[in-house]
Amino acid sequence: SYVLTQPPSVSVAPGETARITCGGENIGSKSVNWYQQNPGQAPVLVIYYDSDRPSGIPERFSGSNSGNTATLSINRVEAGDEGDYYCQVWDRSSNYTKLFGGGTKLTVL
Amino acid sequence: QVQLVQSGAEVKKPGSSVKVSCKTSGGTFSNCAISWVRQAPGQGLEWMGEIIPDFGASNYAQKFQGRVSITTDESTRTAFMELSSLRSEDTAVYYCAREYVGGDRNYYYYYGLDVWGQGTTVYVSS
Repeated sequence: SYVLTQPPSVSVAPGETARITCGGENIGSKSVNWYQQNPGQAPVLVIYYDSDRPSGIPERFSGSNSGNTATLSINRVEAGDEGDYYCQVWDRSSNYTKLFGGGTKLTVL
Repeated sequence: QVQLVQSGAEVKKPGSSVKVSCKTSGGTFSNCAISWVRQAPGQGLEWMGEIIPDFGASNYAQKFQGRVSITTDESTRTAFMELSSLRSEDTAVYYCAREYVGGDRNYYYYYGLDVWGQGTTVYVSS
C-alpha cells in the first residue's frame, strides 16, 4: 500500500524558511494537499493541488511537488506558524481513497 | 460562511456502534464530498471515508471497509458516520470535512478539505 513519509519534527528560527517534506513513490504524479493543525483544533488547509493557496492563507506558504518528494515551504516563519503539518494525497486508482502523512511538528525556536 | 457542526461527545462500550452527525450551516452538499477523518490521542490524522451526494458515491479506506457507513440526509443538510464493532483503539476525535469535487461520477477530482467540523470525541471503554 502507498505510504507518505514526513519527518517527525522540523525546527527553524523566526524569520527563516521552514521546509517540510513529504515522501512517496512517484508522488509527483499525484495531487498533494497540506494542512496545519494546532493543539486541540481542527486542521486547516494551507495548500491544495501541490501549490495553490486557499483564500486567507498568507503568501509565505508555498508548495512544490516533483519526483518522490513534495515540499511545503514557509517563508519568514513566525511564532504563530508553530503546529503540526500533514500532507495528504488521493488515489483515483484505489477507488479515490485518501491518505495522510504521519505529520511533522514545526517548532519555531 | 459555511460551517460544519458536529454532534456531542460519546462514551461507548466495546462491541457497540456510534453514529456521529455533521450538519452544514450556511451551505449545501452540492458539488461537495464530505469526508470523515479521525485522530487518536497523540496520533496523526486518519482518513476513514467519504460520501459524494451529487455522484451517489461513497469511498472508504480499506481499513474500515465493512465497519463504517457514511450517509447524508439532504433535507436537513446533515452527514452521518456510523462505526460499528467498536474497540478501545477506536477512541479518537472524529472530524467531518468538506471538499469541493470537480468532474463527473466516472472521473472526478478534489480541491482539498477546506472546511472542518469542530470534532467529536468518541471514547470506547468497558
